[in-house]
Amino acid sequence: DVKVTQSSRYLVKRTGEKVFLECVQDMDHENMFWYRQDPGLGLRLIYFSYDVKMKEKGDIPEGYSVSREKKERFSLILESASTNQTSMYLCASSQSRNGELFFGEGSRLTVL
Amino acid sequence: QKEVEQNSGPLSVPEGAIASLNCTYSDRGSQSFFWYRQYSGKSPELIMFIYSNGDKEDGRFTAQLNKASQYVSLLIRDSQPSDSATYLCAVNLGNQFYFGTGTSLTVIP
Repeated sequence: DVKVTQSSRYLVKRTGEKVFLECVQDMDHENMFWYRQDPGLGLRLIYFSYDVKMKEKGDIPEGYSVSREKKERFSLILESASTNQTSMYLCASSQSRNGELFFGEGSRLTVL
Repeated sequence: QKEVEQNSGPLSVPEGAIASLNCTYSDRGSQSFFWYRQYSGKSPELIMFIYSNGDKEDGRFTAQLNKASQYVSLLIRDSQPSDSATYLCAVNLGNQFYFGTGTSLTVIP
């Protein structure tokens, strides 16, 4: 069965803290994505990766970075968290570039 | 410019009725189209995908694609209270996925 696992379901951080969101998939998918979801704005792509050590900016990369050292793991990093980064973060993976996205359960981050 | 537009709703239908959800997209180069269901507090899960013009049926769900008019729709027959959720339309363009903001559906028992 398909599995995308996000390390933390709920996080509360303070402004200026460094935040790591981890995502692991067990499907040997090449492609991995990080989205954030906000009411009224839908899902917005932050970063994506089509291969190990490869990363591409999505629509809203400012304030974020990513790391993909292994095929199964894609990490989202907030170097210095700000209150406007309070959101639901969703990791996803896909087998092909235009195929179905499989989502993790999401990480709800609150920045105080 | 938004790539994908959906009516945010809320859409309410009685149990057993047909629910009709619509989505339009702006780029004619869009290649594949997806409908995801998202329950409150949960992550999206795939309901249907469609690549070619016409209808595609899977159980109580039918996806309809009209590339000339740039719209894709989802019909849910015999709606059940368990279908109450937000439905997200997604379009693949240039190997990236673009999502609408979702339509909230409530099925009234």
